[in-house]
Amino acid sequence: LAKTTQPISMDSYEGQEVNITCSHNNIATNDYITWYQQFPSQGPRFIIQGYKTKVTNEVASLFIPADRKSSTLSLPRVSLSDTAVYYCLVGDITGNQFYFGTGTSLTVIP
Amino acid sequence: EPEVTQTPSHQVTQMGQEVILRCVPISNHLYFYWYRQILGQKVEFLVSFYNNEISEKSEIFDDQFSVERPDGSNFTLKIRSTKLEDSAMYFCASRQGGNTEAFFGQGTRLTVV
Repeated sequence: LAKTTQPISMDSYEGQEVNITCSHNNIATNDYITWYQQFPSQGPRFIIQGYKTKVTNEVASLFIPADRKSSTLSLPRVSLSDTAVYYCLVGDITGNQFYFGTGTSLTVIP
Repeated sequence: EPEVTQTPSHQVTQMGQEVILRCVPISNHLYFYWYRQILGQKVEFLVSFYNNEISEKSEIFDDQFSVERPDGSNFTLKIRSTKLEDSAMYFCASRQGGNTEAFFGQGTRLTVV
């Protein structure tokens, strides 16, 4: 299973764009990259998933370079309610297990 | 929006007692998971379940743990003899299949005293 490395914490002001990068040097051919958000005392919530290039939904964008050894979650114009832990997961999404790393604790400051 | 439901939200039990944590996955989902999160730590994989059997399990999921899908709707995690270190949030998740994402429940906070 591909190990992921993310910054432990980040701070951002309201209204700014936030980019959280995840390293996954030993990603396998069948692995997808998935990001989850977790608020305190709640279950993780799916944000976005991708395999290569760029994926965008109503919440975020995911940028994946050609070598797929890293990925960047981009949150446009964050608000205070975006304060949470963000997890990058790498794995075969059709498989039977996927692992959470330590995550990035994002604090949005007024 | 369909959701994964877990009960109870909080359970307190004495060390050595058996506990059963219950989950109702989303109805058309085929893959089921249990995770746990010790306070302040990362979310840890316990077990995955598909086609009425365990697909994968982690080293945490020892003989004290078992899972069951007794009636086609519920998905349970049993801890036979709880230890203090079993105190954690336990999350159930389900996934439809293919390359779809997993949906998590709100968790059960287990406190072993």
